[in-house]
Amino acid sequence: AQKVTQAQTEISVVEKEDVTLDCVYETRDTTYYLFWYKQPPSGELVFLIRRNSFDEQNEISGRYSWNFQKSTSSFNFTITASQVVDSAVYFCALNLNRDDKIIFGKGTRLHILP
Amino acid sequence: DVKVTQSSRYLVKRTGEKVFLECVQDMDHENMFWYRQDPGLGLRLIYFSYDVKMKEKGDIPEGYSVSREKKERFSLILESASTNQTSMYLCASSLVGQGYETQYFGPGTRLLVL
Repeated sequence: AQKVTQAQTEISVVEKEDVTLDCVYETRDTTYYLFWYKQPPSGELVFLIRRNSFDEQNEISGRYSWNFQKSTSSFNFTITASQVVDSAVYFCALNLNRDDKIIFGKGTRLHILP
Repeated sequence: DVKVTQSSRYLVKRTGEKVFLECVQDMDHENMFWYRQDPGLGLRLIYFSYDVKMKEKGDIPEGYSVSREKKERFSLILESASTNQTSMYLCASSLVGQGYETQYFGPGTRLLVL
């Protein structure tokens, strides 16, 4: 069965701290795609990153970085030097190479305290 | 930029009313999706459409129907609204891509059924 687990329901950190959001996925497929989305208080999900299963290179985009490890079926997301504007719900998601439906994790609510 | 719009940000309806939620995308995407989001449950797929007049049930289609008469518009219908349909409803669209295409989301509609 396919599944995405975000074990951290809610995290609070003080501004400027680094924070890592965990994502563990399950699939027997060899080709799949992983995504992270951000949902700020306004409600709209904003796409952050997509990764395919053959590309295990880590990615950095400004203060955001992603660590993809097939050996542990994890796709973790780190925010460096967090800011209040990073406060949001973050969703990790999995898409198999069969159709265009996405399996979402339940999300991690991140609070950045000033 | 992809633009997905939803007809209402907030909606209050009474039990038993017929409710229409509309979603429009301007990027000529083949796929369109309706999700509902509830605390602790994440995003759950209600219905999915991969072409005009084509639809496929998602994980929780009971109590809902959909209509896609034009490529850019995907409507979610609650035939007889019930209080357990109080939720945040999110629409998304994507190109056909066997999993690797990103879904783009609208701002969401918060529906309250009294």
